[in-house]
Amino acid sequence: GQNIDQPTEMTATEGAIVQINCTYQTSGFNGLFWYQQHAGEAPTFLSYNVLDGLEEKGRFSSFLSRSKGYSYLLLKELQMKDSASYLCAGSNDYKLSFGAGTTVTVRA
Amino acid sequence: DARVTQTPRDKVTEMGQEVTMRCQPILGHNTVFWYRQTMMQGLELLAYFRNRAPLDDSGMPKDRFSAEMPDATLATLKIQPSEPRDSAVYFCASAAGNEQFFGPGTRLTVL
Repeated sequence: GQNIDQPTEMTATEGAIVQINCTYQTSGFNGLFWYQQHAGEAPTFLSYNVLDGLEEKGRFSSFLSRSKGYSYLLLKELQMKDSASYLCAGSNDYKLSFGAGTTVTVRA
Repeated sequence: DARVTQTPRDKVTEMGQEVTMRCQPILGHNTVFWYRQTMMQGLELLAYFRNRAPLDDSGMPKDRFSAEMPDATLATLKIQPSEPRDSAVYFCASAAGNEQFFGPGTRLTVL
């Protein structure tokens, strides 16, 4: 397994930036996914990192350091609709091991 | 608009009954996954298939759960007999590459 660890909750103000950290154990590690899940809905794909470095996609960016077993998801210019759970998942071939998720609450 | 579909969306049943959940993966996706999500355990992989062949079902209680893909357009997950601890949301996901696309889930309540 990959023992994914991420904070349980984070709160931030609309328009601010939030960084969600994720650490993992690297046994059989191929890459790192981030998914967003709104309450009562299915997870939706945000990003996939396989190489070290920062991948930017609009307001969301994801970073990976394979040597440190560390990733983060950066959410910029927060909007109310960004209130959701953010799931970090390590991949081994096609198998994903998910963290418990970080619930982000955006306040006005 | 290609998406994964699942039926039923909600299921309430009594302990001991058989439950069958169905999933239609996105056309052309050759890898299909079954996940279970609970507040306590989060999102757990139960089983997955590639080209309809089961590759890994180590996350699934073998005595009561079974997963099959009768054809490329249908995946099923059965629980027999069901128990209250099986209450959860069951997601199906499909993939052609690295990205997995999740269905809307089946919310199962076993009384």
